Formats: sequence, C-alpha cells, structure tokens
Amino acid sequence: DAGVIQSPRHEVTEMGQEVTLRCKPISGHNSLFWYRQTMMRGLELLIYFNNNVPIDDSGMPEDRFSAKMPNASFSTLKIQPSEPRDSAVYFCASSSYGYTFGSGTRLTVV
Amino acid sequence: AQSVTQLGSHVSVSEGALVLLRCNYSSSVPPYLFWYVQYPNQGLQLLLKYTTGATLVKGINGFEAEFKKSETSFHLTKPSAHMSDAAEYFCAVSDRRSGAGSYQLTFGKGTKLSVIP
Repeated sequence: DAGVIQSPRHEVTEMGQEVTLRCKPISGHNSLFWYRQTMMRGLELLIYFNNNVPIDDSGMPEDRFSAKMPNASFSTLKIQPSEPRDSAVYFCASSSYGYTFGSGTRLTVV
Repeated sequence: AQSVTQLGSHVSVSEGALVLLRCNYSSSVPPYLFWYVQYPNQGLQLLLKYTTGATLVKGINGFEAEFKKSETSFHLTKPSAHMSDAAEYFCAVSDRRSGAGSYQLTFGKGTKLSVIP
C-alpha cells in the first residue's frame, strides 16, 4: 500500500496564477479530506468528501478555492487566482476507520 | 461544536526525562480522541486513539494517553524521552456522531517537542 499520494510536493507560483493540487487516496477508503496548515492558524479542514460527494465545504476560505473528486481514486484542490496569503502546506487525508495523511504539498505564492 | 486546546506550543525536555503533553477538549457528546505526530516535512502519523473501552491507551514508540472524562483531558505521556521523539504533536477530537458514514477531526494548534541531549 503506497499510502495517500499527493503531488506536487512543492509548488512555487506567481500571484494570480492557477494552482492545482492533486491527491490519490488509499484504495477502499471512502472519505477524503483536504487540510491547510499554517503557522498562524494550525491545521484547518477545508473540505471533505464521502463516497466522492462533497459533504462539508464550510472551511473553504473563499470562491477562489474549489475541490473536486471525480472518482474514488483522485481528488483535486484548485486555487484560482492564487494569492500570497494562500502560501501554506496542504494535506490530503483519506479515511476508512482511521485517517491516513499524505506528505503534503508546500505551496508558495510570490 | 468541538474544540481542542493544547497547553504549551513548545515543550523542552531532557533526554531520558518524562514527556507530558497536555490536551483538553470540549465536545457535546462522548468523543473519539487522537494524538498525531508530525516530523519535519512529513504528514501526520497516528500515535494512538481512544474510542471506547479502556481509558488508558497505548500507542507507538512508547507513548500512552489517558482519557479523563471528568477533566475533559487526554494528555500524552512517555516515561523516557528519546532524541527521535523531537517533533510536533497534535491532539484531535471527533464528534462520533458526524454523519455521512465518516467523521471530522478537529485539531489542536500543536505542541513542538524538543529533546535536549
């Protein structure tokens, strides 16, 4: 089992550009979560899916953020347009009975 | 609504000394409780969890935590710190009644543990 796979590991982009983060959950896990981690705010839940359906997106900061899960093995988190305050580490986690986190994507918006 | 408070954003202990990381929670229903560890540039790894049953829970790497309902606490301990324990530790709580067949975790702000040789 390769665990939860996130790509890219690091992303540096210019303000205003579109950024897409990707996540492949563990096969058989029916829930997927996107978290953002910053020094100031800690770990924040952005959105979670159950059986590919978005259940709670109340943590998505604004309309610039969107997430999709077209099938059970893939999810994306998109930021358009990106801003410097979006710089953070973004984690994906999948869950069956317990959570498994990916290694994260470190996003820097300059 | 549920919340988690971790007392002390940074704790330093000497190698071989007791490790005590504090976690208090609030939840309107009996919670599930978790401790995760995060090493630099890595994701979070589960150390241990409490769901039901015995209130003293043993996890990996010699860590354990005790659920104390009367104190709404779930403090993490390890009798003897090792250099490899230096990491950031997160306490998390789940409202076990979260629907849709899954549950959300609410995390504390984390406690960074330093181990002094």
